[in-house]
Amino acid sequence: EVQLVQSGAEVRESGESLRISCRGSGYSFNTHWIGWVRLVPGKGLEWMGSIYPGDSDTTYSPPLQGHVTFSVDKSSATAFLQWSSLKVSDTAVYYCARRFTVVRGIITTYAFDFWGQGTMVTVSS
Amino acid sequence: QSVLTQPPSVSGAPGQRITISCTGSNSNIGADYDVHWYQHLPGTAPKLLVYGTTNRPSGVPDRFSGSKSGTSASLAITGLQAEDEADYFCQSYDSSLSGFYVFGTGTKVTVL
Repeated sequence: EVQLVQSGAEVRESGESLRISCRGSGYSFNTHWIGWVRLVPGKGLEWMGSIYPGDSDTTYSPPLQGHVTFSVDKSSATAFLQWSSLKVSDTAVYYCARRFTVVRGIITTYAFDFWGQGTMVTVSS
Repeated sequence: QSVLTQPPSVSGAPGQRITISCTGSNSNIGADYDVHWYQHLPGTAPKLLVYGTTNRPSGVPDRFSGSKSGTSASLAITGLQAEDEADYFCQSYDSSLSGFYVFGTGTKVTVL
């Protein structure tokens, strides 16, 4: 059974650092992209970027480039999302999700077929 | 930040058919990129409901169906059941600088 299990809720102050985790099991962790998606209260879901565990290749959403960092530890099949300096606007529920390739003719898109349970991050001023 | 627009809420009585719209633009849905749909119960992991616009993963009832036309997509739920009460999000790919994968604003489905 494919599972993504995330670390627990975190509370920080603005300017602090933080790393949250997402551990995969039940599939070949190294050969599937992991996406990070956040749910901001009242604003819906936002794709933050993705990482390929096999070689740590990363893609960041342009608005978040430079503010967050993705990494993986292949030995423990764990992906990480970290901030060096949190902002109040980072308050959200963060999800990791396994990327799934959808091919239709010459069109390739990607969905997310398995998700973690989410990590609530609260940042106060 | 969402570039795909959904109605905030849709409601229906048990057994009814409802549809949820997802309106995009020529850089995402209108560019012929597929649309995917997720069901989300607060506090739980989102669940992939429809992928590739019209396909259902194994285990998803055929009461859920997706379609697309022009710059919009729709998710239809027939034979509405109490367990369908949840938030629903659409997702596609966007070729503009706003980001690669874009989600809808989300729709809360209420079963009356």
